Formats: sequence, C-alpha cells, structure tokens
Amino acid sequence: DTEVTQTPKHLVMGMTNKKSLKCEQHMGHRAMYWYKQKAKKPPELMFVYSYEKLSINESVPSRFSPECPNSSLLNLHLHALQPEDSALYLCASSLFGLAGVGRTYEQYFGPGTRLTVT
Amino acid sequence: GENVEQHPSTLSVQEGDSAVIKCTYSDSASNYFPWYKQELGKGPQLIIDIRSNVGEKKDQRIAVTLNKTAKHFSLHITETQPEDSAVYFCAASSTGANSKLTFGKGITLSVRP
Repeated sequence: DTEVTQTPKHLVMGMTNKKSLKCEQHMGHRAMYWYKQKAKKPPELMFVYSYEKLSINESVPSRFSPECPNSSLLNLHLHALQPEDSALYLCASSLFGLAGVGRTYEQYFGPGTRLTVT
Repeated sequence: GENVEQHPSTLSVQEGDSAVIKCTYSDSASNYFPWYKQELGKGPQLIIDIRSNVGEKKDQRIAVTLNKTAKHFSLHITETQPEDSAVYFCAASSTGANSKLTFGKGITLSVRP
C-alpha cells in the first residue's frame, strides 16, 4: 500500500483566515514533503521533514507554517495568504529522505488539497 | 543545480501506437530518475523509475531507458490506451544532503481512440 491521504480535498479561504492542511501516511515512511503545484506546472518543493525534523525549507514565506506532530502526520498551517497562493498543495512521503545514505527512495504523493484564496 | 528539460510539451498518438517521452538532465551527479503520471484532479502517481546503475527497466507496457553519457532518459509506452492520457513528469535527483527531486515541465499525452 502506497497511500498518502490529504484533507480537505478543497479549501476556500479569505486572506485574513487561518486554516490548516493535513496529510497522513501509514507506510512507516520517515520523510514527508509539502509541494505547491500551479496549473500546468510541475510540483515545487516547499518543505521536507526527516524523522519529524524540518530538514529543508525552500525559502517559503512565513505565512506557510509546517508542522510534523509524529512520523505519520504532516500539517501545513496557513495564515494571511494572498490570492497568488491559490494552488494544489501536495503532500508526499518516502521511506527515508532524499539524503538517505546510498540511495534515493521512492516518493509517493497524495491527491492534494485544492486551495483557493479569495 | 540540476536542470531537467522535457520535450515536447504535448504529444498526441493513436490508440495502440507507442509513445516516447524524452528528458535531459544537466547534473552528472544525478542518479535517480522517476516518472510520474498525473491525471486531472489527482496527485502525481509514480509509475516507474530507474537508477544510474541500470540502463533499462520494464513494467508491462511501460519502460524507461537511461543514457548516462548523453544525460537523457526516456519513457516508452507501448500499445497506448485512452486511459494513458495524462500529464507525465520526469524528474531527477542525486543522493547527498539537501538533495531533492527536480522535475521537468511535464508533457500532456493524448491518446486518440
């Protein structure tokens, strides 16, 4: 089973709202990722967690705040977003991080949360 | 950093024909090359991958080939079916601290019934 689940499926929020996206996997993976994908573009990496510690932040604005409460869960807290932040937000996981010794591990994506900022 | 080019941006084939999608990469340290299929409204699905110690890998109707000297890798789909219609992304990564997947821009494959 290579399932990554994400909730909610769709989210509409105003620029003054605070909301959270949730991601869950039960594959025993120790690395989890947040990506942002705009229409007709490839996924863009935002954050990487490895062993529940933030290992990569791709210079993402502070209005996006990631959290990894345990090895199965990943949250993305949203606050004071802009309309240009509207996108598909994808979560992914892999057995170990891309910096795993000796090999790169397969990365599996969830279905995404379609976010619209009004 | 790594740069992955993917051409063409769209490809249309007749059902039953073969489709070939090619990607080139720039970083000779890259050693892992996955392919993702993304259907409308869904997340990317890993369909096949290849590592730099292998030249070719097959899984039923799909295969991937890697030419390390020329720094390119290709996805081959045989006996295409309408359900193969999707956006396909290639990617590349290396091992080491802070390595990450670098994606190509994606190609929209349309299979005409």
